[in-house]
Amino acid sequence: DAGITQSPRYKITETGRQVTLMCHQTWSHSYMFWYRQDLGHGLRLIYYSAAADITDKGEVPDGYVVSRSKTENFPLTLESATRSQTSVYFCASSAGIGYGYTFGSGTRLTVV
Amino acid sequence: EDQVTQSPEALRLQEGESSSLNCSYTVSGLRGLFWYRQDPGKGPEFLFTLYSAGEEKEKERLKATLTKKESFLHITAPKPEDSATYLCAVQDVDSWGKLQFGAGTQVVVTP
Repeated sequence: DAGITQSPRYKITETGRQVTLMCHQTWSHSYMFWYRQDLGHGLRLIYYSAAADITDKGEVPDGYVVSRSKTENFPLTLESATRSQTSVYFCASSAGIGYGYTFGSGTRLTVV
Repeated sequence: EDQVTQSPEALRLQEGESSSLNCSYTVSGLRGLFWYRQDPGKGPEFLFTLYSAGEEKEKERLKATLTKKESFLHITAPKPEDSATYLCAVQDVDSWGKLQFGAGTQVVVTP
């Protein structure tokens, strides 16, 4: 199916564990983004990518790592999860500058 | 630094009671202003893009307008299915395609 897919939908992990959130899009969009959404803070940009092998930090990158070896995939890794990283994570893609985003359904991550 | 402020934070409407949501923004140069709708447990869904002051877009009961400092989302004769959080976002000319989001307005429409 065409679109943008995030997995897993829900994840519970322990403090200190490494966890990877997956994002896959089928449009060959150049731009991909990772946001987190928290009550009181709205959507905040973690990392973004303008093309394969080109990534850059957003507003709240600390504790996160991304890679983009293929245009269609943009995984987000929490190297050592902390309780403050409990959040809903959204991946999005865009055809380019001047275009809006299409969002995935989100991953609800709980760090205990 | 780009800033986006949405008001009110929450809005409760009777079915058929029209109202407007406000999005005030500060950017060095506006490339586009975007409106999204978000239902609980789902990702934001694109509604409109506005590029220049004076521009208007409509979709069913929703109409978005843009000035140099703010945008309005007008909801005409809302129905319960219009209940959602409405998000506004701006794209600065210097932002490399990134969007800066406001905190959203939660709209509840009661029958």
